Amino acid sequence: EVHLLESGGDLVQPGGSLRLSCVASGFDFSRYAMVWVRQASGKGPEWVSTVSGSNGSTYHADSVKGRFTVSRDNSKNTVYLQMNSLRAEDSAIYYCAKVKRGFGVAVAGTCDYWGRGTLVTVSS
Amino acid sequence: DLQMTQSPSSLSASVGDRVTITCQANQVINNFINWYQQKPGKAPKLLIYDASILETGVPSRFNGSGSDTHFTLTITNLQPEDFATYYCQQYGNLPRLFGPGTKVDIK
Repeated sequence: EVHLLESGGDLVQPGGSLRLSCVASGFDFSRYAMVWVRQASGKGPEWVSTVSGSNGSTYHADSVKGRFTVSRDNSKNTVYLQMNSLRAEDSAIYYCAKVKRGFGVAVAGTCDYWGRGTLVTVSS
Repeated sequence: DLQMTQSPSSLSASVGDRVTITCQANQVINNFINWYQQKPGKAPKLLIYDASILETGVPSRFNGSGSDTHFTLTITNLQPEDFATYYCQQYGNLPRLFGPGTKVDIK
């Protein structure tokens, strides 16, 4: 059974940093791209970042480019999201999700398993 | 810029009803559309991918159709567990955009 468990969410001041982690189990982790999706309160989801299965390719939405960095450690079945220069508008639940097909960033489009999310609040 | 719209933004329906939700893109995205269901406090759940393929384990009362820019999610014989918010999401282009959502509640 696929299981994704996020951690690292917290209350942080504007301009601060956080690192989110997502530990995966139940599938061949290195064969799939992984995604971070966030959802602000009362809003629709927003696709934030994608990391490929094994070659380190990444994608970041324009709203976070230059501030967020996605990475993974296949030896630990873990994907990370390093978030710097946080803003109030980054406040959201951050979900880790498994891509349904393939390990490449370019083809990553469908998320078939999601974690329960971790809450990030950016406020002074 | 790529934009996704959904209509209606909300609807009220009764158990047993047929419900239709529409998703429109302002660019051609072929059939690269997913539909997700989300209940309060839960993560989105994949229902349909490639516009019309039912995800494993999803009841057959859910049906997706459409191509290019216009897509539809239909729920026949609405069940109590179907009251939720539904999002379309495109993956024909970057960024991978979600629609604004359609909330289905009980009449």
